Amino acid sequence: DQQVKQNSPSLSVQEGRISILNCDYTNSMFDYFLWYKKYPAEGPTFLISISSIKDKNEDGRFTVFLNKSAKHLSLHIVPSQPGDSAVYFCAEGGGSNYKLTFGKGTLLTVNP
Amino acid sequence: DAGVTQSPTHLIKTRGQQVTLRCSPKSGHDTVSWYQQALGQGPQFIFQYYEEEERQRGNFPDRFSGHQFPNYSSELNVNALLLRDSALYLCASSLRSQETQYFGPGTRLLVL
Repeated sequence: DQQVKQNSPSLSVQEGRISILNCDYTNSMFDYFLWYKKYPAEGPTFLISISSIKDKNEDGRFTVFLNKSAKHLSLHIVPSQPGDSAVYFCAEGGGSNYKLTFGKGTLLTVNP
Repeated sequence: DAGVTQSPTHLIKTRGQQVTLRCSPKSGHDTVSWYQQALGQGPQFIFQYYEEEERQRGNFPDRFSGHQFPNYSSELNVNALLLRDSALYLCASSLRSQETQYFGPGTRLLVL
């Protein structure tokens, strides 16, 4: 049973517009959530994280929102750029766990 | 500031063989985690090492074993390779006191 779900395998947006990537989770015991970006033939690159005690965290063009009542996490990228085209993974961690639990990823394509 | 490094980048083995993958953590990090990423999936946690001991283990058989050295570098060993062990193996490092894990570029293992 997947604890972290990314229900959209892919997303396509125009350059300059907003990209919204979504993630749902089932376990409320985790302390923090992270987003990673992955290009082909590279390892995941850390983007941004959020603690479970917050509902928003912003870093430049990237903003993560956490809705604890809905057990939902989203990553907003504004404005989107062609270089943002990659697979995006959400992950959860903390609580009694040292590991990160990942979703299956969403392939974002930003068209020029 | 050196990031996480892994070797080799690619490896081809046959069923039944044994393989050793290596990882050097990001400068200043003391904790190493290993993940397996199959095609179309998110990374799956194998185990984490801290202070040269396995601190937590995921749902992987005993064929998967590891080691951490006094300089914090780590090895992942897989015995009796199976076809389904073909995957990207990712090493991630972190500080014990921090949640964010930083990934290396991975080792692509193909078992024939």
